[in-house]
Amino acid sequence: KNEVEQSPQNLTAQEGEFITINCSYSVGISALHWLQQHPGGGIVSLFMLSSGKKKHGRLIATINIQEKHSSLHITASHPRDSAVYICAARGPISNFGNEKLTFGTGTRLTIIP
Amino acid sequence: EPEVTQTPSHQVTQMGQEVILRCVPISNHLYFYWYRQILGQKVEFLVSFYNNEISEKSEIFDDQFSVERPDGSNFTLKIRSTKLEDSAMYFCAGPSASGELFFGEGSRLTVL
Repeated sequence: KNEVEQSPQNLTAQEGEFITINCSYSVGISALHWLQQHPGGGIVSLFMLSSGKKKHGRLIATINIQEKHSSLHITASHPRDSAVYICAARGPISNFGNEKLTFGTGTRLTIIP
Repeated sequence: EPEVTQTPSHQVTQMGQEVILRCVPISNHLYFYWYRQILGQKVEFLVSFYNNEISEKSEIFDDQFSVERPDGSNFTLKIRSTKLEDSAMYFCAGPSASGELFFGEGSRLTVL
């Protein structure tokens, strides 16, 4: 059974600050997803990564497979970044490629103008 | 343009009633997943559906739940006799060819 831990649970920062959200998992996975959930409840996929680093705009996601750890960074944070950010680990690895996601508890980010 | 469409967006039902939640993927996903999120809690896996049959289900997915693909494109999640604790947001999700997951907007179920 995969255990996915996220930290911090809540994060409040001033506009412009550099944000880091951490995620760790316990078993081998095929991919790690970072998701964004807005107050209405909808979930949007930000990144899917299985190694290294990915960047999209002001968002950067990294993963260290050996350490079973991933981070999501937001540069030059803005109030519109306020949301719940969730990491979800896809695994354990199977031969069929249809591994389920195990979700972290989420990090509620609030960016103050 | 959403890759996955869910209906209804919100349903209120009485305890003991049957509920059917529907999900339509835009592209022809082979795998499909149902997840749920009880208010204030993390998202939990319910069931995965692969090649028109259930490939894995969680302990939450008991005999009261069923999932079907009635017409080759739509997916349905049925709860036969709803309980208060079934109140949650239910999400369906399907992967693209690259493996990226697309979630529906969710169906909020309220059981009274």
